[in-house]
Amino acid sequence: EAQVTQNPRYLITVTGKKLTVTCSQNMNHEYMSWYRQDPGLGLRQIYYSMNVEVTDKGDVPEGYKVSRKEKRNFPLILESPSPNQTSLYFCASSLRTRSEQYFGPGTRLTVT
Amino acid sequence: GENVEQHPSTLSVQEGDSAVIKCTYSDSASNYFPWYKQELGKRPQLIIDIRSNVGEKKDQRIAVTLNKTAKHFSLHITETQPEDSAVYFCAAETSYDKVIFGPGTSLSVIP
Repeated sequence: EAQVTQNPRYLITVTGKKLTVTCSQNMNHEYMSWYRQDPGLGLRQIYYSMNVEVTDKGDVPEGYKVSRKEKRNFPLILESPSPNQTSLYFCASSLRTRSEQYFGPGTRLTVT
Repeated sequence: GENVEQHPSTLSVQEGDSAVIKCTYSDSASNYFPWYKQELGKRPQLIIDIRSNVGEKKDQRIAVTLNKTAKHFSLHITETQPEDSAVYFCAAETSYDKVIFGPGTSLSVIP
C-alpha cells in the first residue's frame, strides 16, 4: 500500500530533551516536506527536500533540523525542544514539485 | 516574506447551496495552487489543483478559478452535502518550490 508513515504518533517530552520524528514514504517520491499545524495558522512549512542530500528552509525552520540521506526517509530533529514547539506535525511527500502532496497521519507533540 | 490569505475563516451553508472560499497570494512567481480538505482528526487530502497557465478547472461539484493578474484564486463547491463539512486549505507553491498554506476555512453544511 502506497503511504507516508510517521513515528511516533504521540509524544510528550520535556524542554531540552532531543527528539526525532521519523517519516518514510514508499512511493519513490522526490519531494518531501515537514509542516506544523497550529489553530488559526494553517499548515506552516518547516523544511522541504527536493531530492537526496538537498534540503531547504520553509517558513518556520528555527529550532528544527532535517536530513535526507535516503530518498524514502526524511526525519525531523528537535535538538532542544521548547514549549512553543508543542504542535501537530505532518510529513508529506509528492512525486515532484508542483504536484499532489500525500500527508502522513500526523505526530502530536507536547513539550512541557 | 510570501503569504497566502484566505477568507472566510468560517462558512456555514444549507445543504444544496453553494460555497465559495477565496485566497490571495503575494508572490507573483507562484505557479501551482492546490486545495486540501481536512476532516476532523484526519490528515489533509488534495481535492483539486490548478496551475498558472490555466484559468479554471472543474471536477464534478468542485471548481477552482485563478486570476493571475489579481493574484487571486477561489474554490467553488456546488450542491453542498453534509460530508463536505471540513476545513479547507488553499496553498501556493512558489517558483523555488516552497509551499505556503492559507490559514484555513471551516465549512459547515447544515442538513
